[in-house]
Amino acid sequence: GQQLNQSPQSMFIQEGEDVSMNCTSSSIFNTWLWYKQDPGEGPVLLIALYKAGELTSNGRLTAQFGITRKDSFLNISASIPSDVGIYFCAGRPARNNDMRFGAGTRLTVKP
Amino acid sequence: NAGVMQNPRHLVRRRGQEARLRCSPMKGHSHVYWYRQLPEEGLKFMVYLQKENIIDESGMPKERFSAEFPKEGPSILRIQQVVRGDSAAYFCASSPSGLAGPKTQYFGPGTRLLVL
Repeated sequence: GQQLNQSPQSMFIQEGEDVSMNCTSSSIFNTWLWYKQDPGEGPVLLIALYKAGELTSNGRLTAQFGITRKDSFLNISASIPSDVGIYFCAGRPARNNDMRFGAGTRLTVKP
Repeated sequence: NAGVMQNPRHLVRRRGQEARLRCSPMKGHSHVYWYRQLPEEGLKFMVYLQKENIIDESGMPKERFSAEFPKEGPSILRIQQVVRGDSAAYFCASSPSGLAGPKTQYFGPGTRLLVL
């Protein structure tokens, strides 16, 4: 089953609002990734983080690798209708080669 | 540079038939991962392969499921004697090789399997 806790499960926001979602783990991770999935498509990589404390932006998206290496957050500023979709966090645990995925945050943006 | 390719995009099988899902990784990538996604759920890891080797199959059911990544050609996820519960989207991801090990995974568009 899932080993990452991602929250919130879903969000309904107004266009122009900022959004924040996060993932936590009970174990230390070496890599944190954030993906977006549109209906009927595969996940698309948004941001990759490789070092504790790292803060990375991609346009209106900003993500951080937590100092404890057990969490990460993703912020979306000034949301627009095309931000609608499911956002997944993924992390690679220390000593492992596989990725663990959160259950996703379903974002709805009302115009 | 083509991304990860999967085919078919949609596959319909009757109970008891076999399903073969193919994945061609990005050029230069030698690591392949298979995931399964049920509707309204996240991705569940199934298996991790490098060329000709299964590295981690801890997420794959012990029976009816198998995966391979031959020296030449795509990676294949094979499901024998499919049952209705196998209906799901199956995603393949690839990552580059390197001394530090696989880092970022890039996903294909998925194969949606429907078992009637």
